Amino acid sequence: SAVISQKPSRDICQRGTSLTIQCQVDSQVTMMFWYRQQPGQSLTLIATANQGSEATYESGFVIDKFPISRPNLTFSTLTVSNMSPEDSSIYLCSVAGTARTDTQYFGPGTRLTVL
Amino acid sequence: QKEVEQDPGPLSVPEGAIVSLNCTYSNSAFQYFMWYRQYSRKGPELLMYTYSSGNKEDGRFTAQVDKSSKYISLFIRDSQPSDSATYLCAMSENTGNQFYFGTGTSLTVIP
Repeated sequence: SAVISQKPSRDICQRGTSLTIQCQVDSQVTMMFWYRQQPGQSLTLIATANQGSEATYESGFVIDKFPISRPNLTFSTLTVSNMSPEDSSIYLCSVAGTARTDTQYFGPGTRLTVL
Repeated sequence: QKEVEQDPGPLSVPEGAIVSLNCTYSNSAFQYFMWYRQYSRKGPELLMYTYSSGNKEDGRFTAQVDKSSKYISLFIRDSQPSDSATYLCAMSENTGNQFYFGTGTSLTVIP
């Protein structure tokens, strides 16, 4: 499977600030996704990060709040903007479409706490 | 109604027991079924992946899909304390489509 890293692994932020989370894969992948996992809840897809074009957002998520970049086939960023305590969650990137798999593999996650 | 339903548990079993984890779903178009294991403070790790109906075995783990009942199961034989984790089911219509996840079942295997 692909090796996926995320930075930072965790952070504590103040209300109203923004945090950018990075996702790096050790091989080129077709698809990259960003999820949110809140305590006791299932994974919620935020958006699909498309290489070279705007991300595709799911219902309830907007680009102004969660801008996403994907400059190449191995890297993506998710920014959580103008944070509030409700944004406290684990944010996960996942990848699919490598030469070795046709399902999704997840990064270790970024644990975000907003005060 | 949620697309995927999964009993959150928690489930606690003695070491060596057989564990059965289950999910039900409503979308008959789902064809791909996955089980992920997530240890505390880690990302989900793909455990089993099956296509359509039937069984798939990998060591102590068996994944079972019954599309007629819209029901999938993960069986863990000879459970070990290292199996203690949250298990998430996931499914999709196609490999390029959105994945739908259950809420996860928390499992503790007691030595």
